[in-house]
Amino acid sequence: GAGVSQTPSNKVTEKGKYVELRCDPISGHTALYWYRQSLGQGPEFLIYFQGTGAADDSGLPNDRFFAVRPEGSVSTLKIQRTERGDSAVYLCASSPSGSGDEQYFGPGTRLTVT
Amino acid sequence: KQEVTQIPAALSVPEGENLVLNCSFTDSAIYNLQWFRQDPGKGLTSLLLIQSSQREQTSGRLNASLDKSSGRSTLYIAASQPGDSATYLCAVEGNNDMRFGAGTRLTVKP
Repeated sequence: GAGVSQTPSNKVTEKGKYVELRCDPISGHTALYWYRQSLGQGPEFLIYFQGTGAADDSGLPNDRFFAVRPEGSVSTLKIQRTERGDSAVYLCASSPSGSGDEQYFGPGTRLTVT
Repeated sequence: KQEVTQIPAALSVPEGENLVLNCSFTDSAIYNLQWFRQDPGKGLTSLLLIQSSQREQTSGRLNASLDKSSGRSTLYIAASQPGDSATYLCAVEGNNDMRFGAGTRLTVKP
């Protein structure tokens, strides 16, 4: 079956613009995670959804970042007033039911803020 | 807060050598530990998942061990090949999130 997919694969935007990044999890997976990976670093946790609700958003760096999962499947990560420091690869993962399950990662979206 | 450390940061070996990558974590209250491979510009490929109740997992030339009480895991790669060249990431899953190390960049020279 299909794995986790993310669109776009690459996004270049100007400082101050708004961007949306999309994640399609594996069908039937209730848990969805967003991570951010800067160059030379491991991925950093941003937010975890269980179904439609954000069970843990403690990793979101500030209020410019927001994520939704309105129907419990596709999720969108939204970044307002982008800054150059937001440039990174944004990874999405899903798992069948949450903690303890193996997470399956998408290929990521490379965001570049100029 | 869980901290995950990987040593060494980079490793270069000749083809055919056996090697060990190390991972340590500060909080032993974990659900599982997972080793990933990441090729340049690519996403994460899961290699091995060790549940907190397990001591090791094996897949082909790879063997991962877990000592939860001491907060350590090792990834053993036997008979390394140039195709093994990549960054290897260790990640521990706690309550609601997964914490990653910074990775070990492995180069296997032919």
